Amino acid sequence: KAGVTQTPRYLIKTRGQQVTLSCSPISGHRSVSWYQQTPGQGLQFLFEYFSETQRNKGNFPGRFSGRQFSNSRSEMNVSTLELGDSALYLCASSLAGRGSTDTQYFGPGTRLTVL
Amino acid sequence: GQNIDQPTEMTATEGAIVQINCTYQTSGFNGLFWYQQHAGEAPTFLSYNVLDGLEEKGRFSSFLSRSKGYSYLLLKELQMKDSASYLCAVRDEYSGAGSYQLTFGKGTKLSVIP
Repeated sequence: KAGVTQTPRYLIKTRGQQVTLSCSPISGHRSVSWYQQTPGQGLQFLFEYFSETQRNKGNFPGRFSGRQFSNSRSEMNVSTLELGDSALYLCASSLAGRGSTDTQYFGPGTRLTVL
Repeated sequence: GQNIDQPTEMTATEGAIVQINCTYQTSGFNGLFWYQQHAGEAPTFLSYNVLDGLEEKGRFSSFLSRSKGYSYLLLKELQMKDSASYLCAVRDEYSGAGSYQLTFGKGTKLSVIP
């Protein structure tokens, strides 16, 4: 079974621009979560999507948004980029059955650099 | 909310045993995960504990005490390839919506030396 895939792997943008990142979950997985990883803060939860609905959201400004498509693929968008948005953005997928002992499996990440 | 603490760095010798501790405070608890992350790579799942006790998986074992808010990851017969960051993550249920949120510690960077 193929793992979680993310595109692009690397991205360089300038302040004020916007960016869209893509994540394809493991086949059969319906939940997709996004995380931001920086050296100072570690892995921080952004949001989770399940069946095309945002089910959970972390403490990030509204510039960070996402969506999920009917095939469970997900996109994350960051508008009006700031220097502090430079990070590794990780996507994780899971089966996410209610009450299940789900495990999240991570993709390789997108390294975003904001200049 | 969640608060997860683990040591920032540890060094151990090849062939030895190392224990990486994790303490947590949480308003809800639905399991604790350990992930391994090599530099520049994605985290990979190592273990999961939801009940008290020890879970063993080859050279890796993980222990949980829910009453103490404490877990550890034990790595035996250390190999050079075990040099990586080890992330402790606690899962709780978000607002009863059926969504489980993972909160991660900042990770412990383990260096294995010859």
